[in-house]
Amino acid sequence: DSGVTQTPKHLITATGQRVTLRCSPRSGDLSVYWYQQSLDQGLQFLIQYYNGEERAKGNILERFSAQQFPDLHSELNLSSLELGDSALYFCASSVGWDPNTGELFFGEGSRLTVL
Amino acid sequence: GQNIDQPTEMTATEGAIVQINCTYQTSGFNGLFWYQQHAGEAPTFLSYNVLDGLEEKGRFSSFLSRSKGYSYLLLKELQMKDSASYLCAEIDSNYQLIWGAGTKLIIKP
Repeated sequence: DSGVTQTPKHLITATGQRVTLRCSPRSGDLSVYWYQQSLDQGLQFLIQYYNGEERAKGNILERFSAQQFPDLHSELNLSSLELGDSALYFCASSVGWDPNTGELFFGEGSRLTVL
Repeated sequence: GQNIDQPTEMTATEGAIVQINCTYQTSGFNGLFWYQQHAGEAPTFLSYNVLDGLEEKGRFSSFLSRSKGYSYLLLKELQMKDSASYLCAEIDSNYQLIWGAGTKLIIKP
């Protein structure tokens, strides 16, 4: 158990819909990362938050948005869903904003299926 | 831009040794991670290198050469449970993680 909690574990929805994925980081971790992983593909970095502020942005679509709340949990919102958005979405947390301060701990992921 | 290269797939035999290579662009290097990921599961941390040399941790070791922009993960006494993808990730000049596509390791009896 990494200490990172993601909900829901599985989600099936239709094209055009909107979903929200939730992540609670490990206790004491201030940094939260979101990644997308399509079947048999590598990790695609979406966005990083540190202590409530956006720290870095990757190839995140405009239809996607995220935020980190004062209690440090984070939500990833995916809207106008398309078939190609079907993927495993991972949240990871770490102590600092710089990965050199400690490794990333990954949650078990939220598997999104868009039909 | 940043680019991490690692082989797409490797096959090895149970009980043997395998070396998985990773090359990266040397400018702005700040550290390198190796992670293991079983299919459909979360990546888990294996090793971290920031200085040149070999870091040994049980059956797994990781090596770094900063001048060559090269790292490898060495797995000894391979077990069937080592069948997984192995991800190399570089910390770049902006302290962001650049991930390789991963190397799928298949262990045969």
